[in-house]
Amino acid sequence: NAGVTQTPKFRVLKTGQSMTLLCAQDMNHEYMYWYRQDPGMGLRLIHYSVGEGTTAKGEVPDGYNVSRLKKQNFLLGLESAAPSQTSVYFCASSYTVKVYGPGGYTFGSGTRLTVV
Amino acid sequence: DQQVKQNSPSLSVQEGRISILNCDYTNSMFDYFLWYKKYPAEGPTFLISISSIKDKNEDGRFTVFLNKSAKHLSLHIVPSQPGDSAVYFCAASAGYSSASKIIFGSGTRLSIRP
Repeated sequence: NAGVTQTPKFRVLKTGQSMTLLCAQDMNHEYMYWYRQDPGMGLRLIHYSVGEGTTAKGEVPDGYNVSRLKKQNFLLGLESAAPSQTSVYFCASSYTVKVYGPGGYTFGSGTRLTVV
Repeated sequence: DQQVKQNSPSLSVQEGRISILNCDYTNSMFDYFLWYKKYPAEGPTFLISISSIKDKNEDGRFTVFLNKSAKHLSLHIVPSQPGDSAVYFCAASAGYSSASKIIFGSGTRLSIRP
């Protein structure tokens, strides 16, 4: 009963390095999302996917790329990390785009990324 | 410019009393509102929601009130319990099925003291 699993949980990067955050869900959800959480800013949508092979930009997509090659996985990539990308990243998934309650969003536990 | 504002970063309430968390929004297109709860080292979990056609929704100890004219909503927790200590996010959506349009507030950290 894993739900949404994010790896890694913590990472420290040097400016200019690249990395990929992995999100995996075992609920057969169609929709997957990447959010970032910053102090005083709440959660902001980076990219999302409405199905395997499709992705779309959210509120703050610059500096990130995503891929959804398999239905259960949604990858978030940072090609050249910057200190402004220091944040906590949350992945979420859902059956539909319904945003509330049962059948709504299931969030992972987060990845804390520090870029120095 | 934040469209969903939670102006109180933190709130401390005695166990057994009422906790009231407030949220203001600026976008008149929002018609669906949600509260999420988040414990440390965990992801947010859905708590309660309300559609703009209602002004109140209850679920056990949790009640959400919506004042559309004031663009204000609040979450009431009665009675407050130690397990309610968490960060609460207010969120709003233009439509209950719009993945790209959920806007979250910055959160309020609720602490329930014995």
